[in-house]
Amino acid sequence: SQTIHQWPATLVQPVGSPLSLECTVEGTSNPNLYWYRQAAGRGLQLLFYSVGIGQISSEVPQNLSASRPQDRQFILSSKKLLLSDSGFYLCACNGGTADGYTFGSGTRLTVV
Amino acid sequence: KQEVTQIPAALSVPEGENLVLNCSFTDSAIYNLQWFRQDPGKGLTSLLLIQSSQREQTSGRLNASLDKSSGRSTLYIAASQPGDSATYLCAVSPFSSGSARQLTFGSGTQLTVLP
Repeated sequence: SQTIHQWPATLVQPVGSPLSLECTVEGTSNPNLYWYRQAAGRGLQLLFYSVGIGQISSEVPQNLSASRPQDRQFILSSKKLLLSDSGFYLCACNGGTADGYTFGSGTRLTVV
Repeated sequence: KQEVTQIPAALSVPEGENLVLNCSFTDSAIYNLQWFRQDPGKGLTSLLLIQSSQREQTSGRLNASLDKSSGRSTLYIAASQPGDSATYLCAVSPFSSGSARQLTFGSGTQLTVLP
């Protein structure tokens, strides 16, 4: 079964600073990878997904970007953080035609 | 656009009770439906996955049913325990030409099981 590693678990960053969140996957190859954000009191919002190395699809316009430099590595970045970027960021994967989703443990980002 | 609704938003029950969590979705053309559990400040743990061709799935004290035609799913928890306290999320994925399927989540049911 798939396992997702996310780090860091918590992060406090000043407004205007850069961001890099990393996610790696074990136990599968060629996974589909996703970044979701869960804002306080709100549901989960899909930010980006990737079906392969270098292939990124964005679901919402925003201050963030994503990259997939390796098959099982997914990175969420920002050049300059905004207060509104605060939230709980979750990496997820699925693979094959019948698999459900597996989620990582998340990163709590607070922009101050 | 798919919309997923979960009722109730919060539920508090005494230990040992059987309970039902409800999930409804507006577009019945789904590929599968997945129930997750989320503990405070933690990621999502998958509980049950139901393919669109299936009617139910069981794991231990959990049973999830799916009625695709009416756009409904229920999660049944038998003999609830304080350790079951968490937020339960329902998510549906659409048919897609590829394997990448973007989940649509409900807002969750926050369950508290009182000892």
